[in-house]
Amino acid sequence: AQKVTQAQTEISVVEKEDVTLDCVYETRDTTYYLFWYKQPPSGELVFLIRRNSFDEQNEISGRYSWNFQKSTSSFNFTITASQVVDSAVYFCALSEPQGGSEKLVFGKGTKLTVNP
Amino acid sequence: EPEVTQTPSHQVTQMGQEVILRCVPISNHLYFYWYRQILGQKVEFLVSFYNNEISEKSEIFDDQFSVERPDGSNFTLKIRSTKLEDSAMYFCASLLGETDTQYFGPGTRLTVL
Repeated sequence: AQKVTQAQTEISVVEKEDVTLDCVYETRDTTYYLFWYKQPPSGELVFLIRRNSFDEQNEISGRYSWNFQKSTSSFNFTITASQVVDSAVYFCALSEPQGGSEKLVFGKGTKLTVNP
Repeated sequence: EPEVTQTPSHQVTQMGQEVILRCVPISNHLYFYWYRQILGQKVEFLVSFYNNEISEKSEIFDDQFSVERPDGSNFTLKIRSTKLEDSAMYFCASLLGETDTQYFGPGTRLTVL
């Protein structure tokens, strides 16, 4: 069965600190996709990244970077030089295309607070 | 940039009433979804819809829920007789194809009194 675990419920940092949000997943499939979404206080879900299971290359997008390690079933997200605008709840999610519906299974989210 | 839209943004209803939440997915997308997020909790899958039929539904999606794509653009979620525990944010999402990304609408906050 699919499962996504975000062990960090809340993280608080001071602006300009680096912060890493952890995500561990469980799946029986060899083909799957991993995602990160941001949910700011306004409530919408903002897509950040999608990674397929065959691509373990780490990705960097500006201050954001993602570390995908199949050996530990982890897909961690790092924000470098955090800013107050990064304050949000961040969700990691998993989908298995062979399941047919492509549904997303979300973790419980990590609430990040960046203080000035 | 195309986006998923949802109406209304906030719906308040009395317990036992029927509500219909509306979504307009991105126009060329083929897969449609509803998710629910109870306040402060994780986002949970409700139902997926493809080729004019439900492709998968969760345990939450009981007989009180139904979905419909009445025309080429709208995708609706109906709750027949709302309960207090149905109070949540409901997100619609759409997907072009199996290897693509789901894009979410802004959500409808449902409050059942």
